[in-house]
Amino acid sequence: GAVVSQHPSRVICKSGTSVKIECRSLDFQATTMFWYRQFPKQSLMLMATSNEGSKATYEQGVEKDKFLINHASLTLSTLTVTSAHPEDSSFYICSARDSERGSYGYTFGSGTRLTVV
Amino acid sequence: GNSVTQMEGPVTLSEEAFLTINCTYTATGYPSLFWYVQYPGEGLQLLLKATKADDKGSNKGFEATYRKETTSFHLEKGSVQVSDSAVYFCALVDASGGSYIPTFGRGTSLIVHP
Repeated sequence: GAVVSQHPSRVICKSGTSVKIECRSLDFQATTMFWYRQFPKQSLMLMATSNEGSKATYEQGVEKDKFLINHASLTLSTLTVTSAHPEDSSFYICSARDSERGSYGYTFGSGTRLTVV
Repeated sequence: GNSVTQMEGPVTLSEEAFLTINCTYTATGYPSLFWYVQYPGEGLQLLLKATKADDKGSNKGFEATYRKETTSFHLEKGSVQVSDSAVYFCALVDASGGSYIPTFGRGTSLIVHP
């Protein structure tokens, strides 16, 4: 089945530094990738939607200059948290859509636990 | 707009008990419905799905039936195990407007005791 690899699974960084999270679709071409943020005991908050080769569409309230999303190829999307602060600590999850599988084709990465100290 | 409402958790059960997690939805079109499961510290995994009215999705002993008349997609399992402890998300995708962005419920935590 479809697999999405997300790395790193955990990262601790110092306040003010930047962190890059990668999301790769291993056996399909991901025309669309989604980035979510999940707070403890809460649902997923969609941050942005990215289509290969075009700029990401950010949800209202998400700072696009802080959360840089790149979707340069059909198998790779990256989320860079720039100048991270403790309030950015969270669980980030990517999801990739395989358009050939229609509306069923959503596969999630295993998530990245970001801790900013 | 589209929305998904799930019952508040946590749901706490003893092993082998019957499970029901309620999910209702509103959608402008004719959505596909999904249940995802998230184990601690992990991403989401698709548990089951249904694409049209009266379809029953099933997997690993879990079942859910697409009820258009009551706009519901309740998750059930006849006998839960400790390993079923996780957070369960109900979701829909309504592609009628050309958007394939899923809409998720808030998640329901299930805790199963031995």
